[in-house]
Amino acid sequence: EAQVTQNPRYLITVTGKKLTVTCSQNMNHEYMSWYRQDPGLGLRQIYYSMNVEVTDKGDVPEGYKVSRKEKRNFPLILESPSPNQTSLYFCASSLGASVDEQYFGPGTRLTVT
Amino acid sequence: AQKITQTQPGMFVQEKEAVTLDCTYDTSDQSYGLFWYKQPSSGEMIFLIYQGSYDEQNATEGRYSLNFQKARKSANLVISASQLGDSAMYFCAMREDLIQGAQKLVFGQGTRLTINP
Repeated sequence: EAQVTQNPRYLITVTGKKLTVTCSQNMNHEYMSWYRQDPGLGLRQIYYSMNVEVTDKGDVPEGYKVSRKEKRNFPLILESPSPNQTSLYFCASSLGASVDEQYFGPGTRLTVT
Repeated sequence: AQKITQTQPGMFVQEKEAVTLDCTYDTSDQSYGLFWYKQPSSGEMIFLIYQGSYDEQNATEGRYSLNFQKARKSANLVISASQLGDSAMYFCAMREDLIQGAQKLVFGQGTRLTINP
């Protein structure tokens, strides 16, 4: 089954404790991206990657890092999480650069206290 | 940059009635794409319908249709014969071109739809 998986699905952590949210897709997609969803703001893009070792900032990259060492994986790293990073996070992937057929992961709900 | 506006934070509709969710957009591009997604309480993003800027006919997918008015820059979602399972958050989104051929989706604020029995 074609899918994008994220782990963990839910996470409660404390300020400053480094964490990684994993994202993996099994569709051999080149393009992957991360979004965060906040009430009243919709989803906003954090980072995107057009292929292995190619990443770029989205609209809200501050406080986040990403890496793309393998085509299937695109982890989101929070080196020193803060409460304003409490949000619902989505990973997405698509074949090529087009978002017309973008697959979303199930989401990761992160709470930073 | 593209901008999507959804002016209805919440809507309440009786079951079996039709409902229209508003979406207006702002872009200077001639070629663009508009999307609607559904987000139930479980949180996942479910793609509903797509409209390309050059599509002459309004998109339809089952009970969903997109009322595309290009001159008014609106792309309203119409759900016919609403069901209890339609209760969810709905997002309008637009495709935006980035550098080096990449694209992203620009989302509106969302509308929370509640269907009453």
